[in-house]
Amino acid sequence: SQQGEEDPQALSIQEGENATMNCSYKTSINNLQWYRQNSGRGLVHLILIRSNEREKHSGRLRVTLDTSKKSSSLLITASRAADTASYFCATPMEYGNKLVFGAGTILRVKS
Amino acid sequence: DTGVSQNPRHKITKRGQNVTFRCDPISEHNRLYWYRQTLGQGPEFLTYFQNEAQLEKSRLLSDRFSAERPKGSFSTLEIQRTEQGDSAMYLCASSFGLGTEAFFGQGTRLTVV
Repeated sequence: SQQGEEDPQALSIQEGENATMNCSYKTSINNLQWYRQNSGRGLVHLILIRSNEREKHSGRLRVTLDTSKKSSSLLITASRAADTASYFCATPMEYGNKLVFGAGTILRVKS
Repeated sequence: DTGVSQNPRHKITKRGQNVTFRCDPISEHNRLYWYRQTLGQGPEFLTYFQNEAQLEKSRLLSDRFSAERPKGSFSTLEIQRTEQGDSAMYLCASSFGLGTEAFFGQGTRLTVV
């Protein structure tokens, strides 16, 4: 079963534009994490936001968390072609023993 | 620290054969996870170890699948009598602590023909 659902499923933008991806989840969480996956490769951790945080920044990434709506968003500013990848949100389940991933958003940045 | 290493990167096998994959986690990480990912989907949890103890197995893991982590170091995932439906990317990840960020290997892509 998948806890998170990303929206949109796919996003295509021009280089320099901002990209926003959303994640909704079902149960209460301790934290929410975002990962990136380049085609055919492993996942890379981008950012972790705790349940008592509302917003977090890391370079060109901005993550928000709304626990009342059980949703999170990932904003990538000034996108680059190298940002082309799949992006997944993940939440720890079973007392933190495993991460449960959504189906992901495929981002394509055109140069 | 060279990150999480998985071998082999690719494996093509005939239906009915057994295959074994290896994962070497980051050395100080006590938690190790196996995931399976099919095209267009997110990773699906298979099993998890804390040190050498296998603490949880997904219902996705049929009795043809077995995982070990002897001495709490590297881990192996074996699939017996492979089926075409086993074709997927098998990802290993490790972490230190509960609910913290996970570090993934590059995965092993299995193709069953």
